Amino acid sequence: KNEVEQSPQNLTAQEGEFITINCSYSVGISALHWLQQHPGGGIVSLFMLSSGKKKHGRLIATINIQEKHSSLHITASHPRDSAVYICAVEIQGSNYKLTFGKGTLLTVNP
Amino acid sequence: GAGVSQSPSNKVTEKGKDVELRCDPISGHTALYWYRQSLGQGLEFLIYFQGNSAPDKSGLPSDRFSAERTGGSVSTLTIQRTQQEDSAVYLCASSPRGLAGGRSYNEQFFGPGTRLTVL
Repeated sequence: KNEVEQSPQNLTAQEGEFITINCSYSVGISALHWLQQHPGGGIVSLFMLSSGKKKHGRLIATINIQEKHSSLHITASHPRDSAVYICAVEIQGSNYKLTFGKGTLLTVNP
Repeated sequence: GAGVSQSPSNKVTEKGKDVELRCDPISGHTALYWYRQSLGQGLEFLIYFQGNSAPDKSGLPSDRFSAERTGGSVSTLTIQRTQQEDSAVYLCASSPRGLAGGRSYNEQFFGPGTRLTVL
């Protein structure tokens, strides 16, 4: 069983829809990261969080440490949001290296 | 400012040859990570540097893989006697590993990757 599980694996939405991507993990962590990877492109860090909620533009990330669960929300989705979204955790005591989920492929249609 | 850069962007090599992949981290970033992204495998950790030392090499898949970092800056990942299963995108990330508000700060900034194809 993977230490980091994401759902859904694939998500197709219409422009303007509210999107949620979920991440569950089974280990103690010091922080959780949400990353974005466009097709053929590099990886961009969206959020790093260890508690509560963070917001950046139309993106919101939340984490519940007790439930070992995080969500990434995109409001008013746009075709340019189409990308792979990856959840990654820093396992406690692991030298801050990242352990990754398998990613969620989001396609937003116009 | 300049981000993390990697070279070459693409490398095609023949099975059995050695390859060197280079990473230039963001200036001043003390932590450097190598990751690998294989088709169907997702992203996996290879090695972590803090300064010039590598306290965690646990992700290196075999003794054909090695890495070094000099001057607390540039890092080189070397793969000897390449095999077809080494084909992947090799990603480097750097982090300031500083403190913000009393908490450890480890946002990682990724380079564009080197796509390695072993024929």
